[in-house]
Amino acid sequence: GAGVSQTPSNKVTEKGKYVELRCDPISGHTALYWYRQSLGQGPEFLIYFQGTGAADDSGLPNDRFFAVRPEGSVSTLKIQRTERGDSAVYLCASSLTGTGVGYGYTFGSGTRLTVV
Amino acid sequence: AQTVTQSQPEMSVQEAETVTLSCTYDTSESDYYLFWYKQPPSRQMILVIRQEAYKQQNATENRFSVNFQKAAKSFSLKISDSQLGDAAMYFCAYRFMDSNYQLIWGAGTKLIIKP
Repeated sequence: GAGVSQTPSNKVTEKGKYVELRCDPISGHTALYWYRQSLGQGPEFLIYFQGTGAADDSGLPNDRFFAVRPEGSVSTLKIQRTERGDSAVYLCASSLTGTGVGYGYTFGSGTRLTVV
Repeated sequence: AQTVTQSQPEMSVQEAETVTLSCTYDTSESDYYLFWYKQPPSRQMILVIRQEAYKQQNATENRFSVNFQKAAKSFSLKISDSQLGDAAMYFCAYRFMDSNYQLIWGAGTKLIIKP
């Protein structure tokens, strides 16, 4: 697509529930990134995919968080047993291989997750 | 450890005037990248301007320019002829030279444009 698409735009869930957040990158972008942005802060890195594999998942906060990208395009971020502290905007970005932030790196509009 | 500080939580400016947003950072590295990103209510992070630390010349993009003072570790953003569409959160970010995606972000400055 023309831009990075994230769905849903907003998600409200109850504490303890499971949620999935979807990211559809720019067509042809092999690299995909997930970030989490808490209120009043900049984005915090979660995970980086190169193709289908997770090249760096060091930012995932704990084992309740998991992400997949089975066909090297769309990615899903999965959060189990949600907690109120998981409330944040989850941003996705994509780029061509070899480029980095600030060089052909495009962010989506994020999913605002609210855990009540 | 690297840190990025934006000391102005909120700034306001009259439409068509000039405003400067401040950013300071701390690093022991000599090569790195610095960015200003804009985040409007749509939440998408939009690159405003970038600066490579090895370049002495200040970056400029149309109405946006930076004052990069490497020794002072300062990286301010000047917006000339402010427009209503410039209203947004502005984030200063530091990127490591050896990472494509790891950044240190400031806390952001909310820019209000008065018509």
